[in-house]
Amino acid sequence: AQSVTQPDIHITVSEGASLELRCNYSYGATPYLFWYVQSPGQGLQLLLKYFSGDTLVQGIKGFEAEFKRSQSSFNLRKPSVHWSDAAEYFCAVGPYEKLTFGTGTRLTIIP
Amino acid sequence: GAVVSQHPSWVICKSGTSVKIECRSLDFQATTMFWYRQFPKQSLMLMATSNEGSKATYEQGVEKDKFLINHASLTLSTLTVTSAHPEDSSFYICSARAPGLGDTQYFGPGTRLTVL
Repeated sequence: AQSVTQPDIHITVSEGASLELRCNYSYGATPYLFWYVQSPGQGLQLLLKYFSGDTLVQGIKGFEAEFKRSQSSFNLRKPSVHWSDAAEYFCAVGPYEKLTFGTGTRLTIIP
Repeated sequence: GAVVSQHPSWVICKSGTSVKIECRSLDFQATTMFWYRQFPKQSLMLMATSNEGSKATYEQGVEKDKFLINHASLTLSTLTVTSAHPEDSSFYICSARAPGLGDTQYFGPGTRLTVL
């Protein structure tokens, strides 16, 4: 069975600081991996996705993620966060027709 | 591109009544739509998958007769919560995909259902 673990429930970072959100997955084959962001009371917006190829994936809003098969990880990074990045972040593993989501990481940005 | 809308965004109803939630793909034809439920501060749980013109496939534990899903066209899917009870109160989110848009689900903004 596929599963996703996001170890950090809540992370607080200062505006302008770097960010890394952790995601570990369990999947029987080459996974489809996704990061979504959810603002309060809103649906999910796709940040980036990995299907194959280059293990460093660039997404929107300056985010990137690196697929590490040996560690079963797909961590999300951003070199410098902005106050508008405060939201809930979800990692998900595919296949695309049956995504399994992690429990999410809430990101708080302090001035 | 790949915009999905939901209506209503927020609904309050009395216990025992039925509520219909619409999910529309605005700028693409969605061959498959998905319905999720999200409890406060929790992750999304897939309820069912629907393909246009076919009966929905429900996940284990989801009551088919309570959560009626219709996907009558390539741009519209509806979720009807029948005989709603307070425990059905939740945030319902739909998503859609199309072959031409890659293997990605695009999500709607969600509908907050409160059953009194």
